[in-house]
Amino acid sequence: KNEVEQSPQNLTAQEGEFITINCSYSVGISALHWLQQHPGGGIVSLFMLSSGKKKHGRLIATINIQEKHSSLHITASHPRDSAVYICAVSETSGSRLTFGEGTQLTVNP
Amino acid sequence: KAGVTQTPRYLIKTRGQQVTLSCSPISGHRSVSWYQQTPGQGLQFLFEYFSETQRNKGNFPGRFSGRQFSNSRSEMNVSTLELGDSALYLCASRIGLRSGTQYFGPGTRLTVL
Repeated sequence: KNEVEQSPQNLTAQEGEFITINCSYSVGISALHWLQQHPGGGIVSLFMLSSGKKKHGRLIATINIQEKHSSLHITASHPRDSAVYICAVSETSGSRLTFGEGTQLTVNP
Repeated sequence: KAGVTQTPRYLIKTRGQQVTLSCSPISGHRSVSWYQQTPGQGLQFLFEYFSETQRNKGNFPGRFSGRQFSNSRSEMNVSTLELGDSALYLCASRIGLRSGTQYFGPGTRLTVL
């Protein structure tokens, strides 16, 4: 079992839909990260959070430390949101990042 | 501020050769981490350097090595290349060890023939 699990693996939505991507982890963490990767490889860090909720534009990230679960929400989705979204955790035992397998999101116009 | 830069962006090598990849962090960032991304294994942590010292290492063979210079620039080296080393190699920088958001470079696409 992977230490970081994401669901779903693939997600197709229509423009304007509300999207949720889930992440569960099994290790102690100091922070959880949501990353976005576009075709071509570049990775952008969207959020780093250790508790509660963060919002940036149409993106919202939440984390429940007790349940070891985080969600990334995209409101009013747009085709430019199409990308791979990756959940990663910084373990309390060190500074390395452990990654989920990613969620391929496709938003159709 | 300029972002994280990596050179070269693309590289083709043959089995048995060695390769050196370079990463220049964002100015003021002292921590550089390296990651390997393959279709089969996803993203995996290679190592992290801070103040010219390796602080953390992933589960990779000794063929994978790295170093960091006094200006925080980092290089990673892979010796005796194998076909399975074909991957996107990403570096990321942050201000300190265990602190702050990691900023990723565009990656180096290595193909081993």
